[in-house]
Amino acid sequence: GAVVSQHPSWVICKSGTSVKIECRSLDFQATTMFWYRQFPKQSLMLMATSNEGSKATYEQGVEKDKFLINHASLTLSTLTVTSAHPEDSSFYICSAMDFQPHTDTQYFGPGTRLTVL
Amino acid sequence: DAKTTQPPSMDCAEGRAANLPCNHSTISGNEYVYWYRQIHSQGPQYIIHGLKNNETNEMASLIITEDRKSSTLILPHATLRDTAVYYCIGGNTPLVFGKGTRLSVIA
Repeated sequence: GAVVSQHPSWVICKSGTSVKIECRSLDFQATTMFWYRQFPKQSLMLMATSNEGSKATYEQGVEKDKFLINHASLTLSTLTVTSAHPEDSSFYICSAMDFQPHTDTQYFGPGTRLTVL
Repeated sequence: DAKTTQPPSMDCAEGRAANLPCNHSTISGNEYVYWYRQIHSQGPQYIIHGLKNNETNEMASLIITEDRKSSTLILPHATLRDTAVYYCIGGNTPLVFGKGTRLSVIA
């Protein structure tokens, strides 16, 4: 159980275009999802928290108009990188929270590698 | 979230137990200790978590000291597929990742 999928697994796009990444919780409902970014040889950095049916909360330094997050259902969150530039090239990883009786556990997707030319 | 300190790298012989330490001296009473691992170019994989008591599951054991200032993740019989970066996180969601320990399992 607790499987999170992402699509696509990798994408290459031209500078100035927009890219949408989907994150799905396959076997549980996730009212809260998170988006992380990871640059080569670095750790994961939290970008934003999204709650189903409400606006996402962005971490300091993350442009909300550039990284659009939509969490329209209990099993789907999308991240759209708008007007992508080479510096946006990174490994984007989503995480969905499975609420447990006494604790919460985050499960992660396999990641999406974005390359902007 | 508690600041965690982990050794940057460790080696372990295949078939032996891998003991990965973590210091989280600033952890507060309601914060959990989570362990994840990340194999190259994949998303982090949940391993185990605990609050005060030691925990065991099919993947690993988690030993938390009585003062909760440190913990040890134990992989009882390491295999080559356990080679990964292991992250110890002291806190609650959303999880904040540190640099982790790069574990190399050697044949």
